Amino acid sequence: AQTVTQSQPEMSVQEAETVTLSCTYDTSENNYYLFWYKQPPSRQMILVIRQEAYKQQNATENRFSVNFQKAAKSFSLKISDSQLGDTAMYFCAFMKLFSGNTPLVFGKGTRLSVIA
Amino acid sequence: ETGVTQSPTHLIKTRGQQVTLRCSSQSGHNTVSWYQQALGQGPQFIFQYYREEENGRGNFPPRFSGLQFPNYSSELNVNALELDDSALYLCASSLVGGGTEAFFGQGTRLTVV
Repeated sequence: AQTVTQSQPEMSVQEAETVTLSCTYDTSENNYYLFWYKQPPSRQMILVIRQEAYKQQNATENRFSVNFQKAAKSFSLKISDSQLGDTAMYFCAFMKLFSGNTPLVFGKGTRLSVIA
Repeated sequence: ETGVTQSPTHLIKTRGQQVTLRCSSQSGHNTVSWYQQALGQGPQFIFQYYREEENGRGNFPPRFSGLQFPNYSSELNVNALELDDSALYLCASSLVGGGTEAFFGQGTRLTVV
């Protein structure tokens, strides 16, 4: 079974600064996807960024980037130029690659507060 | 906002009662997954439906059951409610063979008293 661990229950960052959220995972699979989801107070999970395990290049989406270390099973999220709207719960998630859809396995989340 | 809608947004039930939660999937999506998110935790996979059949199940008892309809909308039914069933229930729709992204609804907050 896969597990996802987020060791930082809460973090805070000043507006316009950079923050990094940590995530480690455990799996015996070789082909999988990793995700970061954002859950604001509205409760809706929003996909922030996705990484395919077979790709060595780290994914980037505007101000969001990841540091994917496959051998270390580490998948951190860096948020640059933090904005007040980034305040939310952030969840790291794992999905096994399969011909159909497999479920997401989530970590417990990190609550990020962006301070003006 | 995604095209996934859930109803109701909140409800309160008494222990031992039964509840039905509903989810309308995003247009064109043929797979619906349900997750339970307890307070302060990450979502836990309950089950998934594909083409109206259960297509995978997490570690939840049989009193958690579901349906998927021909239009791909879905229901989650929970019988004999327990206090620990109090949680946010999230529905996610996706397209088999259409990529990996799952689109989530805003959830139903269930409180069991």
